[in-house]
Amino acid sequence: GAGVSQSPSNKVTEKGKDVELRCDPISGHTALYWYRQSLGQGLEFLIYFQGNSAPDKSGLPSDRFSAERTGGSVSTLTIQRTQQEDSAVYLCASSRAGLKETQYFGPGTRLLVL
Amino acid sequence: QQQVKQSPQSLIVQKGGISIINCAYENTAFDYFPWYQQFPGKGPALLIAIRPDVSEKKEGRFTISFNKSAKQFSLHIMDSQPGDSATYFCAASISNTGKLIFGQGTTLQVKP
Repeated sequence: GAGVSQSPSNKVTEKGKDVELRCDPISGHTALYWYRQSLGQGLEFLIYFQGNSAPDKSGLPSDRFSAERTGGSVSTLTIQRTQQEDSAVYLCASSRAGLKETQYFGPGTRLLVL
Repeated sequence: QQQVKQSPQSLIVQKGGISIINCAYENTAFDYFPWYQQFPGKGPALLIAIRPDVSEKKEGRFTISFNKSAKQFSLHIMDSQPGDSATYFCAASISNTGKLIFGQGTTLQVKP
C-alpha cells in the first residue's frame, strides 16, 4: 500500500480482556517498529522487527505485551489482561532495512481500557 | 542517559514569526537527530533530520541547528504559518539500531 496501515483505528475494551492490534507496513519495508504514545507524552519505543525476528524488544513494558510478525509483512501487537494504564495510542512504523532511522508511521490505534 | 528533553511544552507564535523548539540529550552515542510533525489524529511524519557532522541543516522554512559540545539541537520554523500548527517531536537514535528516543513534544499554535 501507499503507507503504513493500522487496524482497528479505535478499540474500547474492558479491563482484563485481551486485545490484538494489527500493522501493515509499506510494501518492501523489511523493518517494523511499535511505539506507544500516552496522552500528552512522547512516543515510547516498544519493539523492533527485522524481517520476522525481533532483535530489540526492550521496550515492552511487561510480559502481558507480545508481538509477532509473519511473512516479513504484517505484525500483530497483543496485550493480554489489559489494564487501564494500557490506554494509549499504539503507533506502528516501517522502514527500509538500510535506512532504519527513516521511519514512516501509521495513523495509530487508539486503545481505551475501561 | 537515554532521555531526550524537549522544551517548551507549548508555544504560541504569530503568523510570520519564528518558532523555536529546543532539545537536549545525554547519550553521546546518538548520531541521528530527526524532527517529526504530528497533526491531531495522524501519525508523526518526518520533517527534517541531521547528523552530528554538520551544525545546521535547512529545508525550506525549517532549519535544524546542532551543537555537539552542548548536546543540544533545535528546530527553527521561519515565517510560521497557521498550517504549521501541530505537535513537534524531536528524537535521537544510534545508527542501525532502529530505536528512536523521542522528546515529550511541543504543541505549536500559529495565530493568524
